[in-house]
Amino acid sequence: ELKVEQNPLFLSMQEGKNYTIYCNYSTTSDRLYWYRQDPGKSLESLFVLLSNGAVKQEGRLMASLDTKARLSTLHITAAVHDLSATYFCAVVTTSGTYKYIFGTGTRLKVLA
Amino acid sequence: NAGVMQNPRHLVRRRGQEARLRCSPMKGHSHVYWYRQLPEEGLKFMVYLQKENIIDESGMPKERFSAEFPKEGPSILRIQQVVRGDSAAYFCASSPEHQASYEQYFGPGTRLTVT
Repeated sequence: ELKVEQNPLFLSMQEGKNYTIYCNYSTTSDRLYWYRQDPGKSLESLFVLLSNGAVKQEGRLMASLDTKARLSTLHITAAVHDLSATYFCAVVTTSGTYKYIFGTGTRLKVLA
Repeated sequence: NAGVMQNPRHLVRRRGQEARLRCSPMKGHSHVYWYRQLPEEGLKFMVYLQKENIIDESGMPKERFSAEFPKEGPSILRIQQVVRGDSAAYFCASSPEHQASYEQYFGPGTRLTVT
C-alpha cells in the first residue's frame, strides 16, 4: 500500500530564514502534488511534479522530485509571515483507482 | 468556468442525526472523489464515483456512510446517525477523466461538526 510521510510535522522559523520540507513515498508514482492549506480553508494547488528531476519554483517556494529516491522536497527561501500555513504533499496511485494519498502535512509558522 | 462546488460549507448536527453533503463537479467532469480530513491530519480517500456508479468505496466506513452520484444533480455523501468522531472536513474533487495524468480539482469542503 502506498504510504506518504512528511517531515517535519511542525516547523517554526524566523522570517528571512531558509528551510526544507521533505516528502517520502513508499512505491512508484507518476506524479506528486504540493498543496497549501490555511486554517479552515480548502487546498490551494502549488506544484505538480511529473518526472524525475523535475524542479518548479514560484516566488519563495521551490519543489523538486527524485523518483528514484521516492523523495520530494519543498524549499522555502527567505521565509515571510504570509507563508504560514500547512503544506501537504500528495502522490497519485498508479493502479486501480487513481486516488491521492496525502502526507500528514507540515504546519509552518513563520515568526516575524 | 465555475470550480467544484460543495454545500453546505458548514454543517452542525447532533449525535444521531443525518448529514447530507453535496458536491457539484466542474462542468464537463464526470468523475467524483470524496476525501475526509480529520483534525490535524491529511486528507484520506473515501470513495470514487462516476455517474450512477460507485467504482471504489474502499475508504468508506462500512456502516452509516453512503455515497451516490445520480444521472442528474450533485453527488451526495450521506452519513446516518452521526457520532462525534464524524466531525471532520469533507472534500470532494472532480476530474474529466479517470487517468493518473488528469489532475483532481478540489472543492472548498464541508466542515461537519457533531455536537
